[in-house]
This record gives sequence, structure tokens and C-alpha cells, in this order.
Amino acid sequence: QKEVEQNSGPLSVPEGAIASLNCTYSDRGSQSFFWYRQYSGKSPELIMSIYSNGDKEDGRFTAQLNKASQYVSLLIRDSQPSDSATYLCAVRGLRSARQLTFGSGTQLTVLP
Amino acid sequence: EADIYQTPRYLVIGTGKKITLECSQTMGHDKMYWYQQDPGMELHLIHYSYGVNSTEKGDLSSESTVSRIRTEHFPLTLESARPSHTSQYLCASSESDYSNQPQHFGDGTRLSIL
Repeated sequence: QKEVEQNSGPLSVPEGAIASLNCTYSDRGSQSFFWYRQYSGKSPELIMSIYSNGDKEDGRFTAQLNKASQYVSLLIRDSQPSDSATYLCAVRGLRSARQLTFGSGTQLTVLP
Repeated sequence: EADIYQTPRYLVIGTGKKITLECSQTMGHDKMYWYQQDPGMELHLIHYSYGVNSTEKGDLSSESTVSRIRTEHFPLTLESARPSHTSQYLCASSESDYSNQPQHFGDGTRLSIL
């Protein structure tokens, strides 16, 4: 089992829809969670971080964390073609507390 | 906004050459990292450093080496490049390795070995 798993893509949504990206992790002691966006050929860019159970909103982005279920998600409301990218989930776990473990990413395409 | 710089952005070079990929950050971060990423594939940690004169190998075995003589500078070296080294190399830094601190990435170096 991978330490961080993301829902397999690619994911396509129409413009204006809500895109839902999911991530599960195996280290129950994980404390902090990050979502990165990576455009093709570019480097990852931090878009959200979350540390406590519940929802955290930033503009069109909402991160949701459920530590009991070991699950973190990212919702993108009013999706735009410019949101088309690969989204990486990163987790700082208890076992590897000094590093981030990245998922393999979910490729999102927003169709105009 | 993170200020982390990588040079060169692109490098095409022949087999057997010695290569140094540069990474510098102006934020005074102690923690720096090198990742390798093939197109459409996962990020793999190959080296990290927690401060000056501190370097460790990451999860993915790599023939590259790193050094950390100054806080702001974390170069990666390949003594003899081979086609299998063709990949994108990403440098990152963070203020600390405590829970709430993310890593910030440079623009990457895309390396092609002929």
C-alpha cells in the first residue's frame, strides 16, 4: 500500500462545475497536509494547506480533512480551464515527520 | 512568495560529462531538498539537507551527489552523465520541518543526456 494515494485520473469536468480531488494516507499519525498544483512541464505550486479536521476555504478552493478516515480532499468550485493541471497531495506523517510524502497526482482537465 | 532559483532551466548534454545543477534560495531556509520527476510521474526525493554540512540520501537511489557549504546554496552534481539521468530535477526549501511548514519549489531543471 502506498503511503499517499490519490484518486486515479484523468478527471474531466465542464467549466463552472465543482471538481473533487481525493487523497488517502496510511500513516495515522500524520499531522499536516498540503495540496500542490503542477502545470505540465512546470514545478509544483502550493495552493492549500490544512492541519485540523474540517473544512478550510480559500477563494474557490476548499480543503477537507478527516483524520479518523485518513482522508483529505480538495474541492474546486466554479472550475475554469486555467485550473487544468495535475494536483498533488502531500502529507507530513509521523513516521517521516521531517519530509513530505507526495501522492502520484490527479490530472484535472476543465472543458470549456 | 518563495524565492528559490534553479539554473540552468534546460540542459542537453552528451554522455560522460560532469554536470552541476544549481539551486539557491534567498529566504534563509535551513531545509532544502532535491526531487526527481519523470514526465507524468511521481516526485521522488533523492537528497535532502537540514543545514550547512548536513546531507542525506532520499528514498530514490541516485548516482548524484550534493553539498551544502552555505545555507542558501544546494548544488547537485552528476560526475558522469548517462541517458538514464534524463529527467526533471526539482529543488525545494522549507523554513522548518515542523508540521505546518510547506516546501516551496524552484522552477526545475529539465536535463536531457544524449
